[in-house]
Amino acid sequence: GAVVSQHPSWVICKSGTSVKIECRSLDFQATTMFWYRQFPKQSLMLMATSNEGSKATYEQGVEKDKFLINHASLTLSTLTVTSAHPEDSSFYICSARDYRVDTQYFGPGTRLTVL
Amino acid sequence: RKEVEQDPGPFNVPEGATVAFNCTYSNSASQSFFWYRQDCRKEPKLLMSVYSSGNEDGRFTAQLNRASQYISLLIRDSKLSDSATYLCVVKAPNSGYALNFGKGTSLLVTP
Repeated sequence: GAVVSQHPSWVICKSGTSVKIECRSLDFQATTMFWYRQFPKQSLMLMATSNEGSKATYEQGVEKDKFLINHASLTLSTLTVTSAHPEDSSFYICSARDYRVDTQYFGPGTRLTVL
Repeated sequence: RKEVEQDPGPFNVPEGATVAFNCTYSNSASQSFFWYRQDCRKEPKLLMSVYSSGNEDGRFTAQLNRASQYISLLIRDSKLSDSATYLCVVKAPNSGYALNFGKGTSLLVTP
């Protein structure tokens, strides 16, 4: 079946550093990918919609200059958390839409801890 | 008001029990509905889509009431492996393909 990978699966970094998370669709092309964030005991919250070849669409309250999204190919989207702070510590999950079956597949998530 | 609301639980049930989860959504024009399962520290995985006529997949039955904007999931003959958080998910109109997630209902099935 369709598989979406994320890398890294977890990262610990110091405050002020930037962290890049990759999301790949492994056996299908994804013109649209999504980035979600989940805090403990909270629901997944959509951060942005990543469209291949164009700018990402950010949800209200999500700073586009802090969370940089690049979707340069049909199988790869990246999320860069710039100048990360402890409050950015969270579980970041991407999903990729397989248009052939109109289904979203989720990556395994990246657990970010900012010290 | 949150777009998708669920009782967070936890629901603690013995093996073999039947348990039901409910969910309400705020946007009456919502088009697609799903139940996802999320295990601790893992990504959500699609359990089943929810259709207007109701649908069943083995021990799992999902129902949709559009008039009440209410979705349910029934699990029969609970197994230990059913322990997880169950997420009610709604795709709202004009949202592209983005999904709105409820907070989830936690289920613990005990021996």
